[in-house]
Amino acid sequence: AQTVTQSQPEMSVQEAETVTLSCTYDTSESDYYLFWYKQPPSRQMILVIRQEAYKQQNATENRFSVNFQKAAKSFSLKISDSQLGDAAMYFCAYRSAIGGKLIFGQGTTLQVKP
Amino acid sequence: NAGVTQTPKFRVLKTGQSMTLLCAQDMNHEYMYWYRQDPGMGLRLIHYSVGEGTTAKGEVPDGYNVSRLKKQNFLLGLESAAPSQTSVYFCASREEFGTSRPQHFGDGTRLSIL
Repeated sequence: AQTVTQSQPEMSVQEAETVTLSCTYDTSESDYYLFWYKQPPSRQMILVIRQEAYKQQNATENRFSVNFQKAAKSFSLKISDSQLGDAAMYFCAYRSAIGGKLIFGQGTTLQVKP
Repeated sequence: NAGVTQTPKFRVLKTGQSMTLLCAQDMNHEYMYWYRQDPGMGLRLIHYSVGEGTTAKGEVPDGYNVSRLKKQNFLLGLESAAPSQTSVYFCASREEFGTSRPQHFGDGTRLSIL
């Protein structure tokens, strides 16, 4: 069975600086998708970024980028120029290309200091 | 466009009572999911459906039942509520094809069992 691990329960960053959130996963599959979701205090689940495992190029969405290391089964999220609105819980998630189950990590709470 | 709508948003039950949570989506999605979110544990899959009339068990199905009689609705039932089922429940849906497409989440239902 696939597992997703986020080893950092809490992180903090100064406004305008860069922070990296870690995620590792375990799978025997070769084709899958990885996601980062943001959950602010409003409780909404907001997609931040996604990565297809067959793509070597790391995904980028404005200030958000990932470092996808397939061999190491690592999928970290980098937030550049951090803003107060980035403060939230961040979840890493894995989904097999076959079937639809999304497996979540435990989450990392990000605090942004002004 | 409402997306994924969960009803109710908040509920308090007594141990042993039953209730049904309703999830409705207006995007014609084939796949629908029910998750529960507990502190420090991320989101865990309870049950899911890959189409009208189908259901399948997720990671933590015990104590819950589901039905998908109409494509747009996915119901989660608690037959005899227990304090261990106190949680925030999320419904999600996604398209069948184009599997890199993310899941769309509802805003969650906070359920307390006394």
